[in-house]
Amino acid sequence: QKEVEQDPGPLSVPEGAIVSLNCTYSNSAFQYFMWYRQYSRKGPELLMYTYSSGNKEDGRFTAQVDKSSKYISLFIRDSQPSDSATYLCAMSLAGSYIPTFGRGTSLIVHP
Amino acid sequence: EAGVTQSPTHLIKTRGQQATLRCSPISGHTSVYWYQQALGLGLQFLLWYDEGEERNRGNFPPRFSGRQFPNYSSELNVNALELEDSALYLCASRSNLGAFFGQGTRLTVV
Repeated sequence: QKEVEQDPGPLSVPEGAIVSLNCTYSNSAFQYFMWYRQYSRKGPELLMYTYSSGNKEDGRFTAQVDKSSKYISLFIRDSQPSDSATYLCAMSLAGSYIPTFGRGTSLIVHP
Repeated sequence: EAGVTQSPTHLIKTRGQQATLRCSPISGHTSVYWYQQALGLGLQFLLWYDEGEERNRGNFPPRFSGRQFPNYSSELNVNALELEDSALYLCASRSNLGAFFGQGTRLTVV
C-alpha cells in the first residue's frame, strides 16, 4: 500500500460544476497537508497548505482535512476550463517537512 | 519576489554521461528539495538540503548526488546516465507557508 493514495482519473466535469478531489493516507504522523496544481510539462503550483483538521478556504478553493479518517479533500467551486490540470495532494511530517505526493488526479473541465 | 528558478530548462545527454542541474531557491528559503517525475509517475523524492547539509535522501542509487552552496542554491548531479533517468527534475524551496516548486529541468537520455 502506498503512503498516499489518489485516484488518477480522469475526472471530467462541465464548466461551473463543483469539483471534489480526494486523497487517503496511511501514516497518521503526517502533520502538514498540501494541494498542488500542475499543468502539462510545468512545475507544480501550491494551491493550499494546511496544518490542522478542518476546512481552509481561499477563493474558489476549499481544503478539508480529516485526520481521524486520514482523508483530505479539495473542493473547487464554479470550475473553469482553465482549471483543467493534474491536482496533486501532498503531506509531510513535522521536522523533515519532506512532501510525500499522491499520483495526482487529472481534471478536465469542458465548456 | 522571484520564485524558484531552475536551469537548464531542457537537457539532452547520452547514456553514460553526467548531468548537472541547478536550482536557486526563493530568497530567504534555506531548505531545498529535489524530486524526479518520470512520465506517468508521481513525484519521487530524491534529496533534501538544508543549511548546506544533506538532510535526507530518497530511494535512489548513489549516482544521484548533489550539494547546497552557501547562498542556498543547489546542484543535482546524475552520473552514469541511464535511459530510465529521462524525466522532469523538480526543485522546491520551503518556508512556513509551504514548499514552492520551480518549472523543472526536462532531462532526456538518448
